[in-house]
Amino acid sequence: AQSVAQPEDQVNVAEGNPLTVKCTYSVSGNPYLFWYVQYPNRGLQFLLKYITGDNLVKGSYGFEAEFNKSQTSFHLKKPSALVSDSALYFCAVRDMDYGQNFVFGPGTRLSVLP
Amino acid sequence: DSGVTQTPKHLITATGQRVTLRCSPRSGDLSVYWYQQSLDQGLQFLIQYYNGEERAKGNILERFSAQQFPDLHSELNLSSLELGDSALYFCASSSLGGPWQFFGPGTRLTVL
Repeated sequence: AQSVAQPEDQVNVAEGNPLTVKCTYSVSGNPYLFWYVQYPNRGLQFLLKYITGDNLVKGSYGFEAEFNKSQTSFHLKKPSALVSDSALYFCAVRDMDYGQNFVFGPGTRLSVLP
Repeated sequence: DSGVTQTPKHLITATGQRVTLRCSPRSGDLSVYWYQQSLDQGLQFLIQYYNGEERAKGNILERFSAQQFPDLHSELNLSSLELGDSALYFCASSSLGGPWQFFGPGTRLTVL
């Protein structure tokens, strides 16, 4: 069965500093990986995805993520954080060889301090 | 705006009651997913429908049921409500071959 871990409940970073939100996954087959962001009282918004190809994927709002197959990780990064990036971030995996269900991680709350 | 709509936005009801949540997927999307988000449980997958048929089942209680209609909209029925059912309920849709989901704004259910 597939699973997703986000080891940090909360990440605090100062505005202008680089940020990293961690995600590790476990699947039996070929993974599709996603990051979503949720602002207060809103639905989840798609940020970026890894399907195949280049391990570094770029997404919305200046975010990027690096797929590392050997470490089964898909960490979300941004070179310079903004206060407006403060939100709840979810990593998700879809096992394309077994069931294709989406599994979401527990979420990481990012706070960017001015 | 994701193109996925959900109604109502807020719902307040009492224990023991039954409610229906409605979701309209993005135009052309055949798959609909339902999720429950609560403070202590995170985002839990409930059920998926594809073109009117149940495709996958997650942590959905027997008191809950869903269906997808010929026009592709979906309804989630919650019955014999308990205080612990208070949560945000999200619907998401995806297209055939599309690898990711688009989420609706959610329905906030409060059970008193």
